[in-house]
Amino acid sequence: DVVMTQSPLSLPVTLGQPASISCRSSQSLEYSDGDTYLNWFQQRPGQSPRRLIYKVSNRDSGVPDRFSGSGSGTDFTLKISRVEAEDVGVYYCMQGTHWPQTFGQGTKVEIK
Amino acid sequence: EVQLVQSGAEVKKPGESLKISCQGSGYNFPNYWIGWVRQMPGKGLEWMGIIYPGDSDTRYSPSFQGQVTISADMSIGTAYLQWSSLKASDTAMYYCARSKGQRLVDYWGQGTLVTVSS
Repeated sequence: DVVMTQSPLSLPVTLGQPASISCRSSQSLEYSDGDTYLNWFQQRPGQSPRRLIYKVSNRDSGVPDRFSGSGSGTDFTLKISRVEAEDVGVYYCMQGTHWPQTFGQGTKVEIK
Repeated sequence: EVQLVQSGAEVKKPGESLKISCQGSGYNFPNYWIGWVRQMPGKGLEWMGIIYPGDSDTRYSPSFQGQVTISADMSIGTAYLQWSSLKASDTAMYYCARSKGQRLVDYWGQGTLVTVSS
């Protein structure tokens, strides 16, 4: 299985400050169709995961533009430009390029 | 509006069987894959397997092959996850999730909490 490694695993952030989460895969996530199937999900406390970003950098409808995704190959990043209270939760990267799909361990974002 | 509505929480004893469900609405159910994801208490997300309701093509993650059965009834827009003999280690929240192709998960159900205890 492709191993997805996130860092940090815990991220205390001051309100209004930026945050950045790294996700690295053990194999390239570029698929034969030219797309890279790396997604980011947010799981707020007590809720189901919600997709924020798909195929590296495409923001889902309704997702605030303070969230952005970037990267290629095996190295990816999720950035929050200015953290708000509603951003508290666990963030997961997930690859869909290789079977089985695999998730990172999760990064817990909390307010300092 | 796309919705995935899962069946309610279950409390079972070790050795019992169980089938939980996930009903899709607001989209063409047969034409999207449905995957199942396990989240053990306080832990991360694990991909279990996926089914294409249109023809019941099913794939299992190696870690879950032989441990669960995934099925679907496209006539009622519902996918299922079942166990023939539960173990205490099956205690977890189980989510279904829609996927465009096998690679692009988007919408998730609200989760079904399964508790297995003697």
